[in-house]
Amino acid sequence: NAGVTQTPKFQVLKTGQSMTLQCAQDMNHNSMYWYRQDPGMGLRLIYYSASEGTTDKGEVPNGYNVSRLNKREFSLRLESAAPSQTSVYFCASQGEQGANYNEQFFGPGTRLTVL
Amino acid sequence: GDSVTQMEGPVTLSEEAFLTINCTYTATGYPSLFWYVQYPGEGLQLLLKATKADDKGSNKGFEATYRKETTSFHLEKGSVQVSDSAVYFCALSDRGGSEKLVFGKGTKLTVNP
Repeated sequence: NAGVTQTPKFQVLKTGQSMTLQCAQDMNHNSMYWYRQDPGMGLRLIYYSASEGTTDKGEVPNGYNVSRLNKREFSLRLESAAPSQTSVYFCASQGEQGANYNEQFFGPGTRLTVL
Repeated sequence: GDSVTQMEGPVTLSEEAFLTINCTYTATGYPSLFWYVQYPGEGLQLLLKATKADDKGSNKGFEATYRKETTSFHLEKGSVQVSDSAVYFCALSDRGGSEKLVFGKGTKLTVNP
């Protein structure tokens, strides 16, 4: 039971390059989330998916796209990276019942630098 | 909308000192309340939670009590250790609302030996 996994762990991009951050969970959760974490800003929600086939914008969606490929996987794409997107990106999934109701489980993060 | 306000820090304590990190919230429904901890270089992990008024969550010597009358969920520990050095996030999930988590901005704790 791996929980939430993210790849890659580290990435350096040049301005204008594109990349996709991968996230997968093995807990059979419906809801999944992408956050970015910047110093002094806490966690900010980029996009979320309440179920397979649905996605919604969060607080800071500009410059990003997402795909909920299936129930396990939720990817985040930067089409044209900008230095302002230098950040640590976290994926999370959310429990829906029992002891884990509304608890979010986080991946280890992707540390992205855009030059 | 829903919001969480926590003391900004950073907080620096000596080992065995008493810790309090304040957290207050605003919610339209009946929130569940959470404290998450983030150790250096890692993702967030749940520390404790409470789902209704007057519930006390506890884990690893940390405690927090859901106070509806003061809309607060303050985190406390009687004797901190160097290994408690981390960033602590207060969060809520509003069961009458969207059920997404709303996070505070985090409080960095450093414990010196």
